[in-house]
Amino acid sequence: GAGVSQSPRYKVAKRGQDVALRCDPISGHVSLFWYQQALGQGPEFLTYFQNEAQLDKSGLPSDRFFAERPEGSVSTLKIQRTQQEDSAVYLCASSLLRPSSGNTIYFGEGSWLTVV
Amino acid sequence: AQTVTQSQPEMSVQEAETVTLSCTYDTSESNYYLFWYKQPPSRQMILVIRQEAYKQQNATENRFSVNFQKAAKSFSLKISDSQLGDTAMYFCAFMKRQGGSEKLVFGKGTKLTVNP
Repeated sequence: GAGVSQSPRYKVAKRGQDVALRCDPISGHVSLFWYQQALGQGPEFLTYFQNEAQLDKSGLPSDRFFAERPEGSVSTLKIQRTQQEDSAVYLCASSLLRPSSGNTIYFGEGSWLTVV
Repeated sequence: AQTVTQSQPEMSVQEAETVTLSCTYDTSESNYYLFWYKQPPSRQMILVIRQEAYKQQNATENRFSVNFQKAAKSFSLKISDSQLGDTAMYFCAFMKRQGGSEKLVFGKGTKLTVNP
């Protein structure tokens, strides 16, 4: 497809379980972002990649959260030992180059995580 | 710290009428980007309009236009000839640059309902 693709779209995890969320950015896009959106809130920044380099991980809420983009294309957000407060929509976004150069940021439809 | 404030949690408008959504932000930067995103129930964030701070002219995209007041740090969105398909959450966002990182900082959103 032509857009940002995320999988799974919906995930129910038992508390303490590990989860992995996948993002396929638009082909050729250098910049990739992960955001977390809790119910009734705006998205909050988690991490930013430029190619395979993770330039900013300041938004990751704890050391249970880990993101990677080993070949500079597909990215995975991993959450270990999930807690109920991790329940949210996880949005992935990409842009061709750096957004500050005027490049549009395109978002995926998100992965809805519910921790029970 | 850069923050984005949307003071209207919910708004409604009659079809074909005009509505304005407000947004204020706080930054010490002199050049930056501001955005309005639309989020329908599918949760995919869709770019509505973008404004570069150094440009004096307010951005317009068909029925959507902004009133950008740099000194007042205000960035409102006007939707003309409202359509039922405009019903969605609308988020104002600021592009923050720090070191090698770039990230969008979002407000909490305004839920817009267009009534027939």
